Amino acid sequence: AQKITQTQPGMFVQEKEAVTLDCTYDTSDPSYGLFWYKQPSSGEMIFLIYQGSYDQQNATEGRYSLNFQKARKSANLVISASQLGDSAMYFCAMRGSNNAGNMLTFGGGTRLMVKP
Amino acid sequence: DGGITQSPKYLFRKEGQNVTLSCEQNLNHDAMYWYRQDPGQGLRLIYYSQIVNDFQKGDIAEGYSVSREKKESFPLTVTSAQKNPTAFYLCASSSRGSAYNSPLHFGNGTRLTVT
Repeated sequence: AQKITQTQPGMFVQEKEAVTLDCTYDTSDPSYGLFWYKQPSSGEMIFLIYQGSYDQQNATEGRYSLNFQKARKSANLVISASQLGDSAMYFCAMRGSNNAGNMLTFGGGTRLMVKP
Repeated sequence: DGGITQSPKYLFRKEGQNVTLSCEQNLNHDAMYWYRQDPGQGLRLIYYSQIVNDFQKGDIAEGYSVSREKKESFPLTVTSAQKNPTAFYLCASSSRGSAYNSPLHFGNGTRLTVT
């Protein structure tokens, strides 16, 4: 079984500052992928960034980067230079190589609010 | 443009009625998924299909049914047996099926309210 934990129900950040959203995971799969999604108030789920368990470098996509610490089983999302449009729910998720269907398992989410 | 279309965006039904949510994709993806989201919570998997004419139960399949007669379409029926059907439903697809490094791409969701 795999599990994703996001311990921050809500976060505030000042516009133009950086923010880190925490994510820890648990899995027995030897290979797995970690994903972050953004969900604005309109409801759609937007894929942001991916990190593979064997990737040597932390993933980056524009203002998003993933602080991957495999030994600690953490995959924190860092958003640099926050913008008002970053206000949304953020979900950490993972897929393992051995679970049936390799389904995507989600954490409970963190609501980020960017202050002007 | 390629994408996943869910319709309708809002759906209202009386208790005891079955209702079918539509999901169509033109991305040529083999794998499709249905998730349920309750307020303030993450997503939970209802059903998934990795290939036409085949589908598997997810974590919360009771009270739901699906079909996969065409690659492009994966409709979800919420039956009267589902005890608490009011929720936000999201359909997704994946280009490399069950590959663990393949992200899911989501539709815009259907908000179902049953009274």
